[in-house]
Amino acid sequence: DAKTTQPTSMDCAEGRAANLPCNHSTISGNEYVYWYRQIHSQGPQYIIHGLKNNETNEMASLIITEDRKSSTLILPHATLRDTAVYYCIVKGQAGTALIFGKGTTLSVSS
Amino acid sequence: SAVISQKPSRDICQRGTSLTIQCQVDSQVTMMFWYRQQPGQSLTLIATANQGSEATYESGFVIDKFPISRPNLTFSTLTVSNMSPEDSSIYLCSVGTAGLQYFGPGTRLTVT
Repeated sequence: DAKTTQPTSMDCAEGRAANLPCNHSTISGNEYVYWYRQIHSQGPQYIIHGLKNNETNEMASLIITEDRKSSTLILPHATLRDTAVYYCIVKGQAGTALIFGKGTTLSVSS
Repeated sequence: SAVISQKPSRDICQRGTSLTIQCQVDSQVTMMFWYRQQPGQSLTLIATANQGSEATYESGFVIDKFPISRPNLTFSTLTVSNMSPEDSSIYLCSVGTAGLQYFGPGTRLTVT
Protein backbone atom coordinates (compact mmCIF):
# COMPACT_ATOMS: atom_id res chain seq x y z
CA ASP A 1 0.00 0.00 0.00
CA ALA A 2 1.20 3.51 -0.78
CA LYS A 3 2.72 5.69 1.92
CA THR A 4 1.04 8.92 2.97
CA THR A 5 2.39 12.20 4.36
CA GLN A 6 0.31 14.46 6.59
CA PRO A 7 1.14 17.55 8.65
CA THR A 8 1.70 16.74 12.29
CA SER A 9 -0.82 19.23 13.59
CA MET A 10 -3.32 21.90 12.50
CA ASP A 11 -5.49 24.45 14.24
CA CYS A 12 -8.95 25.59 13.23
CA ALA A 13 -11.42 28.08 14.64
CA GLU A 14 -14.84 26.76 15.54
CA GLY A 15 -17.34 27.29 12.71
CA ARG A 16 -14.66 27.57 10.05
CA ALA A 17 -13.80 24.97 7.47
CA ALA A 18 -10.97 22.59 8.36
CA ASN A 19 -8.92 21.51 5.35
CA LEU A 20 -6.63 18.58 6.07
CA PRO A 21 -4.10 17.73 3.35
CA CYS A 22 -2.57 14.37 2.54
CA ASN A 23 0.14 13.49 0.05
CA HIS A 24 0.20 10.03 -1.50
CA SER A 25 2.43 10.44 -4.55
CA THR A 26 3.06 6.69 -4.97
CA ILE A 27 -0.60 5.70 -5.05
CA SER A 28 -1.44 3.09 -7.66
CA GLY A 29 -4.50 2.85 -9.84
CA ASN A 30 -6.50 0.43 -7.74
CA GLU A 31 -5.83 2.03 -4.36
CA TYR A 32 -8.44 3.99 -2.47
CA VAL A 33 -7.89 6.92 -0.13
CA TYR A 34 -9.51 6.44 3.28
CA TRP A 35 -9.91 8.93 6.10
CA TYR A 36 -10.45 7.93 9.71
CA ARG A 37 -10.30 9.94 12.88
CA GLN A 38 -9.64 9.07 16.49
CA ILE A 39 -11.13 11.17 19.20
CA HIS A 40 -9.23 10.90 22.46
CA SER A 41 -9.64 7.53 24.22
CA GLN A 42 -11.95 6.13 21.52
CA GLY A 43 -11.50 3.68 18.67
CA PRO A 44 -10.91 5.13 15.18
CA GLN A 45 -14.03 6.23 13.31
CA TYR A 46 -14.52 5.96 9.55
CA ILE A 47 -15.11 9.31 7.84
CA ILE A 48 -15.01 8.93 4.08
CA HIS A 49 -13.16 7.26 1.22
CA GLY A 50 -12.71 7.69 -2.51
CA LEU A 51 -10.93 6.40 -5.58
CA LYS A 52 -10.65 9.34 -7.98
CA ASN A 53 -13.86 11.35 -7.84
CA ASN A 54 -14.63 13.85 -5.12
CA GLU A 55 -16.87 12.46 -2.44
CA THR A 56 -19.21 14.03 0.10
CA ASN A 57 -21.17 12.60 2.98
CA GLU A 58 -22.81 13.92 6.12
CA MET A 59 -19.47 14.22 7.89
CA ALA A 60 -17.05 15.60 5.34
CA SER A 61 -15.93 16.11 1.75
CA LEU A 62 -12.96 14.46 0.11
CA ILE A 63 -11.20 16.21 -2.73
CA ILE A 64 -8.74 14.09 -4.72
CA THR A 65 -6.45 15.77 -7.27
CA GLU A 66 -6.69 14.68 -10.87
CA ASP A 67 -3.32 12.92 -10.75
CA ARG A 68 -4.42 11.29 -7.44
CA LYS A 69 -1.15 12.17 -5.79
CA SER A 70 -2.78 14.18 -3.04
CA SER A 71 -6.13 14.73 -1.37
CA THR A 72 -7.84 17.06 1.08
CA LEU A 73 -10.39 16.23 3.72
CA ILE A 74 -12.77 19.11 4.35
CA LEU A 75 -14.84 19.50 7.49
CA PRO A 76 -17.10 22.36 6.37
CA HIS A 77 -18.02 23.79 9.78
CA ALA A 78 -15.65 22.50 12.43
CA THR A 79 -16.88 22.15 15.98
CA LEU A 80 -15.03 21.49 19.21
CA ARG A 81 -16.08 17.84 18.94
CA ASP A 82 -14.04 17.55 15.73
CA THR A 83 -10.83 17.84 17.75
CA ALA A 84 -9.11 14.52 17.01
CA VAL A 85 -6.26 12.80 15.20
CA TYR A 86 -7.09 12.40 11.51
CA TYR A 87 -5.55 9.56 9.54
CA CYS A 88 -5.22 9.45 5.76
CA ILE A 89 -4.68 5.85 4.59
CA VAL A 90 -4.17 4.47 1.11
CA LYS A 91 -5.25 0.88 0.64
CA GLY A 92 -5.89 -1.31 -2.31
CA GLN A 93 -6.14 -5.00 -1.76
CA ALA A 94 -9.43 -6.09 -0.26
CA GLY A 95 -9.10 -8.26 2.80
CA THR A 96 -6.02 -6.53 4.16
CA ALA A 97 -5.93 -4.34 7.23
CA LEU A 98 -5.61 -0.58 7.42
CA ILE A 99 -2.07 0.51 8.21
CA PHE A 100 -1.98 3.72 10.23
CA GLY A 101 0.62 6.47 9.99
CA LYS A 102 1.03 9.24 12.52
CA GLY A 103 -1.91 11.32 11.28
CA THR A 104 -2.73 14.98 11.81
CA THR A 105 -3.81 16.27 15.20
CA LEU A 106 -6.57 18.79 14.54
CA SER A 107 -7.34 21.20 17.35
CA VAL A 108 -10.57 23.16 17.05
CA SER A 109 -10.88 26.13 19.37
CA SER A 110 -13.60 28.64 20.14
CA SER B 1 -21.70 -0.90 9.74
CA ALA B 2 -20.74 -3.14 12.66
CA VAL B 3 -21.05 -2.58 16.40
CA ILE B 4 -18.11 -3.95 18.34
CA SER B 5 -17.75 -4.42 22.08
CA GLN B 6 -14.63 -5.31 24.02
CA LYS B 7 -14.12 -6.71 27.49
CA PRO B 8 -12.60 -5.61 29.75
CA SER B 9 -12.61 -1.89 28.95
CA ARG B 10 -9.56 -1.45 31.14
CA ASP B 11 -7.42 -3.44 33.52
CA ILE B 12 -4.37 -3.11 35.70
CA CYS B 13 -2.24 -6.25 35.78
CA GLN B 14 0.96 -7.36 37.42
CA ARG B 15 4.01 -8.23 35.36
CA GLY B 16 4.33 -11.89 34.52
CA THR B 17 0.60 -12.48 34.34
CA SER B 18 -1.64 -12.84 31.28
CA LEU B 19 -4.82 -11.07 30.23
CA THR B 20 -7.40 -12.23 27.70
CA ILE B 21 -9.33 -9.54 25.84
CA GLN B 22 -12.67 -10.40 24.29
CA CYS B 23 -14.12 -8.88 21.13
CA GLN B 24 -17.80 -9.34 20.24
CA VAL B 25 -19.39 -8.16 16.98
CA ASP B 26 -23.10 -7.69 16.34
CA SER B 27 -22.95 -9.34 12.93
CA GLN B 28 -21.04 -12.13 11.22
CA VAL B 29 -17.76 -10.97 9.74
CA THR B 30 -14.95 -12.87 8.11
CA MET B 31 -12.11 -10.45 8.70
CA MET B 32 -11.06 -9.41 12.18
CA PHE B 33 -7.95 -7.52 13.16
CA TRP B 34 -6.16 -6.74 16.42
CA TYR B 35 -4.20 -3.52 16.92
CA ARG B 36 -2.04 -2.08 19.69
CA GLN B 37 -1.74 1.61 20.47
CA GLN B 38 1.09 2.48 22.80
CA PRO B 39 0.87 5.73 24.78
CA GLY B 40 1.03 8.75 22.50
CA GLN B 41 1.51 6.59 19.40
CA SER B 42 -0.50 5.56 16.38
CA LEU B 43 -2.12 2.16 15.91
CA THR B 44 0.05 -0.83 15.08
CA LEU B 45 -1.43 -3.97 13.54
CA ILE B 46 -0.75 -7.08 15.63
CA ALA B 47 -2.48 -9.75 13.58
CA THR B 48 -5.28 -10.65 11.22
CA ALA B 49 -7.69 -13.31 12.48
CA ASN B 50 -9.99 -14.71 9.84
CA GLN B 51 -12.45 -17.38 10.88
CA GLY B 52 -11.41 -20.83 9.81
CA SER B 53 -7.72 -20.13 9.54
CA GLU B 54 -4.75 -19.48 11.78
CA ALA B 55 -4.09 -15.88 12.71
CA THR B 56 -1.45 -14.10 10.65
CA TYR B 57 0.96 -12.04 12.74
CA GLU B 58 2.80 -8.88 11.69
CA SER B 59 6.53 -8.50 12.03
CA GLY B 60 7.49 -8.06 15.66
CA PHE B 61 4.50 -9.96 17.05
CA VAL B 62 4.52 -13.69 17.82
CA ILE B 63 1.85 -16.20 18.67
CA ASP B 64 3.44 -17.20 21.97
CA LYS B 65 3.15 -13.65 23.24
CA PHE B 66 -0.21 -12.77 21.65
CA PRO B 67 -2.26 -15.92 21.08
CA ILE B 68 -5.53 -15.30 19.27
CA SER B 69 -8.67 -17.38 19.05
CA ARG B 70 -11.43 -16.97 16.47
CA PRO B 71 -14.04 -19.62 17.27
CA ASN B 72 -16.84 -18.14 15.14
CA LEU B 73 -17.80 -15.23 12.92
CA THR B 74 -18.81 -12.88 15.75
CA PHE B 75 -16.16 -13.41 18.41
CA SER B 76 -12.41 -13.34 18.98
CA THR B 77 -9.99 -13.18 21.87
CA LEU B 78 -6.48 -11.78 22.16
CA THR B 79 -4.30 -12.86 25.06
CA VAL B 80 -1.35 -10.77 26.19
CA SER B 81 0.97 -13.28 27.83
CA ASN B 82 3.71 -12.92 30.40
CA MET B 83 3.12 -9.20 30.57
CA SER B 84 5.75 -6.54 31.18
CA PRO B 85 5.30 -2.77 31.63
CA GLU B 86 6.12 -2.35 27.93
CA ASP B 87 2.82 -4.07 27.12
CA SER B 88 0.91 -1.16 28.66
CA SER B 89 -1.21 -0.01 25.71
CA ILE B 90 -4.68 0.22 24.31
CA TYR B 91 -5.63 -2.95 22.44
CA LEU B 92 -8.26 -2.55 19.75
CA CYS B 93 -10.34 -5.06 17.87
CA SER B 94 -11.43 -4.21 14.34
CA VAL B 95 -13.59 -5.89 11.71
CA GLY B 96 -13.73 -5.53 7.98
CA THR B 97 -17.09 -5.56 6.27
CA ALA B 98 -18.46 -4.12 3.03
CA GLY B 99 -15.04 -2.80 2.16
CA LEU B 100 -14.66 -0.74 5.32
CA GLN B 101 -13.13 -1.31 8.71
CA TYR B 102 -14.81 -0.64 12.06
CA PHE B 103 -13.19 -0.47 15.46
CA GLY B 104 -14.10 -1.39 18.97
CA PRO B 105 -13.68 1.03 21.88
CA GLY B 106 -10.42 -0.55 22.95
CA THR B 107 -9.08 -2.17 26.12
CA ARG B 108 -6.74 0.00 28.15
CA LEU B 109 -4.11 -2.19 29.78
CA THR B 110 -1.68 -1.02 32.43
CA VAL B 111 1.05 -3.40 33.57
CA THR B 112 2.74 -2.66 36.88
